[in-house]
Amino acid sequence: DAMVIQNPRYQVTQFGKPVTLSCSQTLNHNVMYWYQQKSSQAPKLLFHYYDKDFNNEADTPDNFQSRRPNTSFCFLDIRSPGLGDAAMYLCATSVGPLGTDTQYFGPGTRLTVL
Amino acid sequence: GENVEQHPSTLSVQEGDSAVIKCTYSDSASNYFPWYKQELGKRPQLIIDIRSNVGEKKDQRIAVTLNKTAKHFSLHITETQPEDSAVYFCAASRRNTPLVFGKGTRLSVIA
Repeated sequence: DAMVIQNPRYQVTQFGKPVTLSCSQTLNHNVMYWYQQKSSQAPKLLFHYYDKDFNNEADTPDNFQSRRPNTSFCFLDIRSPGLGDAAMYLCATSVGPLGTDTQYFGPGTRLTVL
Repeated sequence: GENVEQHPSTLSVQEGDSAVIKCTYSDSASNYFPWYKQELGKRPQLIIDIRSNVGEKKDQRIAVTLNKTAKHFSLHITETQPEDSAVYFCAASRRNTPLVFGKGTRLSVIA
């Protein structure tokens, strides 16, 4: 059974056109993460939520925003996608506290920017 | 902050041989060390993890060792099979800090 679900699996957008990626979980985990992964590289953490507390990584561009309306859902908004934002976007969850337990990854959304 | 170095970046082994991937970390307070396997086009999946109160952990053909004094930990895969071919990431963290990943090792098992 799917535990971390991401939609859509593939997203094509135009340069500068806002896009929203979604993540949902059936695990009731406290922590939700958004990672960006480019080809042959490690996942790069963009931000995470511990319950409703939002934590932005220092080097995450302002172009990236996130919302967590409830425990189950989390969204990644890219306000003005550039060509450099083309990547796989991975959502992950963990029970928490941060840094202490297994992260469960979703299947990812591959974003193409034309 | 934490820094994790992973070696080698690529590794080729013959089917049936063993593979070893090594990671070092910089923050002596780190106490959680997971290993993730990522097949091409798929999500990272946890294969094994170890906490700082344990020196070694084994799960069938996979084992992880941790040397806290030297601040390094290693993944050992025995009797490798073609389906072990993937990118492997080590990571380190401590309470209230996010995981820091190594850059990954691309393992190829040649039949």
